Amino acid sequence: ETGVTQTPRHLVMGMTNKKSLKCEQHLGHNAMYWYKQSAKKPLELMFVYSLEERVENNSVPSRFSPECPNSSHLFLHLHTLQPEDSALYLCASSQVGTDNEQFFGPGTRLTVL
Amino acid sequence: GQSLEQPSEVTAVEGAIVQINCTYQTSGFYGLSWYQQHDGGAPTFLSYNGLDGLEETGRFSSFLSRSDSYGYLLLQELQMKDSASYFCAVGYGGATNKLIFGTGTLLAVQP
Repeated sequence: ETGVTQTPRHLVMGMTNKKSLKCEQHLGHNAMYWYKQSAKKPLELMFVYSLEERVENNSVPSRFSPECPNSSHLFLHLHTLQPEDSALYLCASSQVGTDNEQFFGPGTRLTVL
Repeated sequence: GQSLEQPSEVTAVEGAIVQINCTYQTSGFYGLSWYQQHDGGAPTFLSYNGLDGLEETGRFSSFLSRSDSYGYLLLQELQMKDSASYFCAVGYGGATNKLIFGTGTLLAVQP
């Protein structure tokens, strides 16, 4: 238990569906991150929110839309996804300025049919 | 482009010592970190090197040479529970702790 929770843990959706992934951190951190982890590939940083402001968007397609309503919650809204978007989506949090230590949630295993 | 290179797989026996190397090429550098991820689990932080030299945390040590763009993770007295994937990661975003990860090394510890 890292203090970062994610729901749902598993999600199967069609290409025309709209769904959202939720992340909550109970650590009092002020930065949150979304990563994509595909088989045989390194973790890819998607979005970074620092002090509730988006500071990174790594050329992520617009079918992924993040939302950070407060420092404890992070969402990833999904719509019209493609089968190649199937992956493990990991949320992480950290305290800005600490030594690269990020705390990860268990992830959401997403399958796009 | 930015890249971090690690061996894809390493095999060792219980009680042995294993070293996992990482070379990096990044546009910015704010330290080298190591993360462990068990199959089906979340990555967990192991160590951080901001300056050259060796950092030791129990059975794990990590080394950094910024002039060589190189680091390694050293695992001693290997245990079966150390079987996992190990990722090096370079910070490039300053205070916001943005990380770029390596491809990961799958460590298999055998009896």
